[in-house]
Amino acid sequence: SQQGEEDPQALSIQEGENATMNCSYKTSINNLQWYRQNSGRGLVHLILIRSNEREKHSGRLRVTLDTSKKSSSLLITASRAADTASYFCATDGGTGFQKLVFGTGTRLLVSP
Amino acid sequence: NAGVTQTPKFQVLKTGQSMTLQCAQDMNHEYMSWYRQDPGMGLRLIHYSVGAGITDQGEVPNGYNVSRSTTEDFPLRLLSAAPSQTSVYFCASSYRPEVGGYTFGSGTRLTVV
Repeated sequence: SQQGEEDPQALSIQEGENATMNCSYKTSINNLQWYRQNSGRGLVHLILIRSNEREKHSGRLRVTLDTSKKSSSLLITASRAADTASYFCATDGGTGFQKLVFGTGTRLLVSP
Repeated sequence: NAGVTQTPKFQVLKTGQSMTLQCAQDMNHEYMSWYRQDPGMGLRLIHYSVGAGITDQGEVPNGYNVSRSTTEDFPLRLLSAAPSQTSVYFCASSYRPEVGGYTFGSGTRLTVV
């Protein structure tokens, strides 16, 4: 069963706008990760946030984590056409770092 | 470094045939995993390994076998292909997944007819 569910399923914005994607999960976790997948390609690791962290930044990415609500958000600022991709959250489900459980993903389209 | 290399990239099998999907990494990662990705379902874990000689089942292991005789290689065997195994398969590896996430291969698109 899927651990995480992303919201929205699809998001369409203009270049320069910010994109926010949300992820909800079901069980306690040790960490939560976000991945990007370009069409027809493998996944690329973007950022990892630990359960004792509330916010983390990496370049134009900002991730927040609320363990009390079992939710996380990924914010991409000043979006570019190259950000067009699917974005997935993944957790360890509290069972161990070797067993990632992925959400269903958000498809982001950034138009020039 | 080549990263995670998966072969073949595409494969068509007939129902009942067997085959092995290859996965190799050159980063000396102990942790390796196989996932399948189906439309609208994200990725689901098939099998994983935490080191040479150590493997375990994930969420959807039925119909698949794995072995890990070396740190570098983690092949996935389909025993008797079924149409339900039509999917895109990804191999991933990590040095320290608790801090660094996983590196994914580019995938194998498998069709079972």
